[in-house]
Amino acid sequence: QKEVEQNSGPLSVPEGAIASLNCTYSDRGSQSFFWYRQYSGKSPELIMSIYSNGDKEDGRFTAQLNKASQYVSLLIRDSQPSDSATYLCAPGKLIFGQGTELSVKP
Amino acid sequence: EAGVVQSPRYKIIEKKQPVAFWCNPISGHNTLYWYRQNLGQGPELLIRYENEEAVDDSQLPKDRFSAERLKGVDSTLKIQPAELGDSAVYLCASSLALNSGGETQYFGPGTRLLVL
Repeated sequence: QKEVEQNSGPLSVPEGAIASLNCTYSDRGSQSFFWYRQYSGKSPELIMSIYSNGDKEDGRFTAQLNKASQYVSLLIRDSQPSDSATYLCAPGKLIFGQGTELSVKP
Repeated sequence: EAGVVQSPRYKIIEKKQPVAFWCNPISGHNTLYWYRQNLGQGPELLIRYENEEAVDDSQLPKDRFSAERLKGVDSTLKIQPAELGDSAVYLCASSLALNSGGETQYFGPGTRLLVL
């Protein structure tokens, strides 16, 4: 089993829709969880961090964490073409998933 | 404030040649990371420094890769000799100390290495 698994992409959504990105992890000891956004040809940048079970909202982004299920997700509301990028899940500071490519169509 | 600086941005070499990458972290950041990112994959940690000390280098292929962080600031990552499979983007990142709330890693632009 991979340490981190993300839903395979590319994920395509129309502008204004909700994009849902999922991630499962194997290390039950993970305490901190991060979502990074990486535009093509650029470096990752942190967009969300979550530490407790439940939801955390920041603007159009909502991170959801369920430690019992070893599952973390990122919802992007009112998706914009500028959200088109690869989203990396990181359960812990040093491990990254393979990323899910999101494409938002105008 | 300047971000993480890396050089060179691009490097093309022939296999068996040596190559070196340089990183200057954000001022005041004790922790420095080197990652390798293959196409379509997430970054893979190669080595992490806390000040001058390499505290996590379990994923560094020590037969051909070496790294140093003299004086706890700049760092260099070297590959000698390079192999075709080393073609990737090499990312440097820095943060405050992990055990001092250094949750946010700031990445440099990366060095794109192509080994022919």
